[in-house]
Amino acid sequence: QKEVEQNSGPLSVPEGAIASLNCTYSDRGSQSFFWYRQYSGKSPELIMSIYSNGDKEDGRFTAQLNKASQYVSLLIRDSQPSDSATYLCAVNPGGYNKLIFGAGTRLAVHP
Amino acid sequence: DTAVSQTPKYLVTQMGNDKSIKCEQNLGHDTMYWYKQDSKKFLKIMFSYNNKELIINETVPNRFSPKSPDKAHLNLHINSLELGDSAVYFCASSQDLRGEQYFGPGTRLTVT
Repeated sequence: QKEVEQNSGPLSVPEGAIASLNCTYSDRGSQSFFWYRQYSGKSPELIMSIYSNGDKEDGRFTAQLNKASQYVSLLIRDSQPSDSATYLCAVNPGGYNKLIFGAGTRLAVHP
Repeated sequence: DTAVSQTPKYLVTQMGNDKSIKCEQNLGHDTMYWYKQDSKKFLKIMFSYNNKELIINETVPNRFSPKSPDKAHLNLHINSLELGDSAVYFCASSQDLRGEQYFGPGTRLTVT
């Protein structure tokens, strides 16, 4: 079983819509959760971090965490073509900040 | 100013050679990391150092040897390069062992 699972996509949404990206993880003791955005040929860029159950909002982005269900999601409101990228979910299972990454979900926002 | 920088950006070399990649961060962070992203875009941690001390050493061939001369620098030396070493290598840093990690631009290594 993969430690962090994401749907590889592509997830295609029209401009202005809400994009919903999902991630599940296997280690119940995981303490911190991150969403990174990676454009093709570029490095991962941190978008959101979330540490406790519930929602965390930052601009057009909302991260949601449900530790009981071992599930973390990212909502992107008013999606723009510039949001087209691969979104990586990363989980820190605890200890020495060793991030475990999912394989990423490719998002395509079309005009 | 670039927060996390790596050199070189591209590295093309032949099998059997030895090469090094350098990483520097000017964020004042205590912890630095090396990650490998393979051709399937899967990103996996290799090593981490905290204040020049090796903290994480994943199952990586011992041909890979990290070195941290000070907490702002973390280098990666690779001996006897193999075709399977071809990948993008990312350096990252965080404030401490709990903080958010910020990635450098990556070094694309191609072994022929």
